[in-house]
Formats: sequence, structure tokens, C-alpha cells
Amino acid sequence: QVLLQESGPGLVKPSETLSLTCTVSSGSILNYYWSWMRQPAGKGLEWIGRVFTSGTTNYNSSLKSRVTMSIDTSNNQFSLKLTSLTAADTAVYYCARGRPSCCYDSWGQGTLVTVSS
Amino acid sequence: DIQMTQSPSSLSTSVGDRVTITCRASQSISSYLNWYQQKPGKAPKLLIYAASSLQSGVPSRFSGSGSGTDFTLTISSLQPEDFATYYCQQSHSFPHSFGQGTKLEMK
Repeated sequence: QVLLQESGPGLVKPSETLSLTCTVSSGSILNYYWSWMRQPAGKGLEWIGRVFTSGTTNYNSSLKSRVTMSIDTSNNQFSLKLTSLTAADTAVYYCARGRPSCCYDSWGQGTLVTVSS
Repeated sequence: DIQMTQSPSSLSTSVGDRVTITCRASQSISSYLNWYQQKPGKAPKLLIYAASSLQSGVPSRFSGSGSGTDFTLTISSLQPEDFATYYCQQSHSFPHSFGQGTKLEMK
């Protein structure tokens, strides 16, 4: 059973950059898509994007200009950078494993990120 | 972008009830439709993928059907642990958008 764990700051100031890392354990990081989703309090889920083990990325067009994802297969980690933060970016951020041409079958527990001065 | 619309947004139900949740895509997504269950304070859990395939370990009372634009999640006999919010998601086109969710509440 693969395990995913998000890490990063819980509080970020407006206009700054959010950096989150997801560590994958008890399973291989190879040949899967690794994704980030987010969920504002009391609201639905938003797909942010994904990175393949080759480094190929796909982003949500609504965030594309502010998002960068990368992967470090040697350390079984992948990461998210989101720039120019505003209060609207306050949410629980989840990392997840995506199966090719399918679905997201393993998720981290989520990490709350608050954007506030 | 493909818009996913779920109905109802909430449903008051009882243990033992048969529950049906629908999800409609704004354009055809073939069978690239997944269903997730989310409980408060927890991450979503994959229940059904490819419209009708049951994820390993998920009870057989959960089933999915549909193709094209219209999909259904059915719980044949609701159990106490099934009170949660359910989301559909399409994985046909980017972004892999979600429905707004359906919350099952105890009647």
C-alpha cells in the first residue's frame, strides 16, 4: 500500500510563493502520474495538475501561469510551487497518485495552507 | 474545460436505503469517470473507476454505470459508514474536473 505525505508551510503571506513536497513511501514512484489537488474549506475539489515520472507536466489552465510541478525520483518525492498567492489559494492541498488513463487511487492526508499576512 | 454536474447536492437517507447519485458531463467523456467518497477531515477515497469498475477493497454494495455524458453511482443498501460526500471526476480531458459533490445525510 503506497503512502503519500505532504509537507510544507501552513501559513504563507499574500504575493509569496507556496512550496509543497509530497513524499512517496512503500511503493515505487515510477510509471505513475503524481498529482496535486486542493479543497477550500467547505467546498469541492479542484485538480491543480500532475507530473509524470519523466517530468512531463499537465496543469489546470486556470492556474497554469502560477504553477510549477517537479519530480525527484531518486528521493521518491514530487513538489508543487504556486506563485503570487492570494487569500483565494487558502485550502487543504492533497497529493495523489494517478494511474495512467484512469483515476487517483492513493491520496495523502492533506495539508492546510492559509494565505494571510 | 469539461463541467461536471452532480445531482442531488444533498440527500437525506436512512440505513438500508438504495441510493442513486447522478453525474452529467458537459461533453462526452466515454467511460473516463471516477467516483470518490470523502468523510469530514479525510482525503477522498477512490470507489469506482472507468465508470463501472470497483476499486479493490471497496464493498460490492457500491456500483457505477453510464458512458458518454450520463453516469450513476448506486449504493444498494446504505450502511452507517456510508454517510459522506461523494464526488465524480472526469479523467478524459485536462483539467481532470470534479463534480460539486453530493452529501448523504441521515434522515
